[in-house]
Amino acid sequence: EDQVTQSPEALRLQEGESSSLNCSYTVSGLRGLFWYRQDPGKGPEFLFTLYSAGEEKEKERLKATLTKKESFLHITAPKPEDSATYLCAVQSGGGSNYKLTFGKGTLLTVNP
Amino acid sequence: DVKVTQSSRYLVKRTGEKVFLECVQDMDHENMFWYRQDPGLGLRLIYFSYDVKMKEKGDIPEGYSVSREKKERFSLILESASTNQTSMYLCATRRVNYGYTFGSGTRLTVV
Repeated sequence: EDQVTQSPEALRLQEGESSSLNCSYTVSGLRGLFWYRQDPGKGPEFLFTLYSAGEEKEKERLKATLTKKESFLHITAPKPEDSATYLCAVQSGGGSNYKLTFGKGTLLTVNP
Repeated sequence: DVKVTQSSRYLVKRTGEKVFLECVQDMDHENMFWYRQDPGLGLRLIYFSYDVKMKEKGDIPEGYSVSREKKERFSLILESASTNQTSMYLCATRRVNYGYTFGSGTRLTVV
């Protein structure tokens, strides 16, 4: 059974204080690791897909990296508008199985 | 951009009522999904569909059913609503390389 564990559960930063969120996973054949951002009362919004160890993706102040056991979401010089819950998910298996398994998320709060 | 529309943002229903949650997508995607999201439990898959009239159970299908008569519409049905089905319900469609594209969610309260 696929498992995804995110840490920390909650993170509070000052504006400009860089940090990283962790996503550890165990899957039988990783087909993709996904990062989403979710604002209160809204559906998750896609950020990145990573497919293989060593891969990195960047978008504005966010950078996602992947190893064989975990992924990191690095936040550089965050701003208050980066406050949200960040979700990690993995897709495994093959064929028409497009099921994603999600972690419980990290609630990020950035104070001005 | 793919648009996934859930018909209601907020719903309040009584225990025992039959409840329909509707989801419509505008990009002709084969795969559609229903999740519920609860504090401390994360997103849990209820049902998914990979084609018209095709469906598969997710991790927590009990108390729910689904209907997909047209490709663009995927409905979640609570046969007899109970208070433990109070939750945020999220519909999604699969987009290649993007994982899922989610709707805005329906917050259902069963009283």
